[in-house]
Amino acid sequence: DAKTTQPNSMESNEEEPVHLPCNHSTISGTDYIHWYRQLPSQGPEYVIHGLTSNVNNRMASLAIAEDRKSSTLILHRATLRDAAVYYCILSPLTTSGTYKYIFGTGTRLKVLA
Amino acid sequence: DGGITQSPKYLFRKEGQNVTLSCEQNLNHDAMYWYRQDPGQGLRLIYYSQIVNDFQKGDIAEGYSVSREKKESFPLTVTSAQKNPTAFYLCASSIGITREQYFGPGTRLTVT
Repeated sequence: DAKTTQPNSMESNEEEPVHLPCNHSTISGTDYIHWYRQLPSQGPEYVIHGLTSNVNNRMASLAIAEDRKSSTLILHRATLRDAAVYYCILSPLTTSGTYKYIFGTGTRLKVLA
Repeated sequence: DGGITQSPKYLFRKEGQNVTLSCEQNLNHDAMYWYRQDPGQGLRLIYYSQIVNDFQKGDIAEGYSVSREKKESFPLTVTSAQKNPTAFYLCASSIGITREQYFGPGTRLTVT
């Protein structure tokens, strides 16, 4: 299964943009790229996902490299509530026809007031 | 409100006992999943089910069992065969043909 590599931790100042990188050099053509975030002792929360093109939603933007071997989650203005562990996840199609997530260890984002 | 519920939030058991974790969803999702999370680690897939009465092993299924008798429910049993059962357990669901998963709040199981 394809894996993702993320920095263990990052820091950002409040109200500044944050760029969280993810490497997935063994990604296959049908793997979507997902981003979730997790607060302590809570379940992960969906942030954004994409396949080839850059994506925007109310929470964040996802920039995907042309060769798809890396991607970047962009939080346009970090707030204290954005402090969490961010997971970059690939979702390969299984033989049974559903999708499974491959989680890495994620990036712990610290936001400084 | 639609969502996923897991109960209880905290669960304590003695070693050698089986324990069942509850997961219920009212999102009308076809697929459901169980994950395990150890401290400082990402989530690992235990079992998943795409439809009622059907489920598949994930990456770490040994020592666990599941059932899917109803679309809304996907209970996980941690058996005495699971060597290191203490962990944070997360249930998730998704609409069958999409890939976005919705997670429950989790159950923290401690076995002593």
